[in-house]
Amino acid sequence: LAKTTQPISMDSYEGQEVNITCSHNNIATNDYITWYQQFPSQGPRFIIQGYKTKVTNEVASLFIPADRKSSTLSLPRVSLSDTAVYYCLVGGGPGGVTGGGNKLTFGTGTQLKVEL
Amino acid sequence: DSGVTQTPKHLITATGQRVTLRCSPRSGDLSVYWYQQSLDQGLQFLIQYYNGEERAKGNILERFSAQQFPDLHSELNLSSLELGDSALYFCASSVGQSSGNTIYFGEGSWLTVV
Repeated sequence: LAKTTQPISMDSYEGQEVNITCSHNNIATNDYITWYQQFPSQGPRFIIQGYKTKVTNEVASLFIPADRKSSTLSLPRVSLSDTAVYYCLVGGGPGGVTGGGNKLTFGTGTQLKVEL
Repeated sequence: DSGVTQTPKHLITATGQRVTLRCSPRSGDLSVYWYQQSLDQGLQFLIQYYNGEERAKGNILERFSAQQFPDLHSELNLSSLELGDSALYFCASSVGQSSGNTIYFGEGSWLTVV
């Protein structure tokens, strides 16, 4: 399974853009990169997923370089409500319906604190 | 609301006891996952089922077992409970079973062992 490394914590202010980088040097060819957000005592919530290059949705962007050994989650104009733990995950199973399962493993995550 | 339903939301039990946590996946999802989250261990993957069959196994203790039923709901059975089993247990589901599938988490079941 690909291990991920991300900063333990980050601080920001409302209205700023926040970039959280995750390293996954041992990512496998068929692994996807997924980011989740978790508030205290709640289940993780899917933010964005990508395989390569850039993915954007209504809440975030995900930048993945060509070698896929890292990825960066970009949160534009954060607010206080974005204070949460952000997890970078790399999939662990072969793709396709007949694949061997999905041991999606969470690391320690990045605690983002947004202040006024 | 992710669409994944877990019961009970809170449970307090004594050491040595056995409990069952229940999970209903999102409509249409065939894969169910169980995770344990404690203060000192973070989110730990326990086990995954796909359409009734075990697909992946993580750090699940032998005292724990799970199954997925024909109607796709799942149960996590925890037996001979110890104080250290106190944690938030999450169920999650996805359409497929591979890493390309988005996983949706329930709100969790708080287990306190006293």
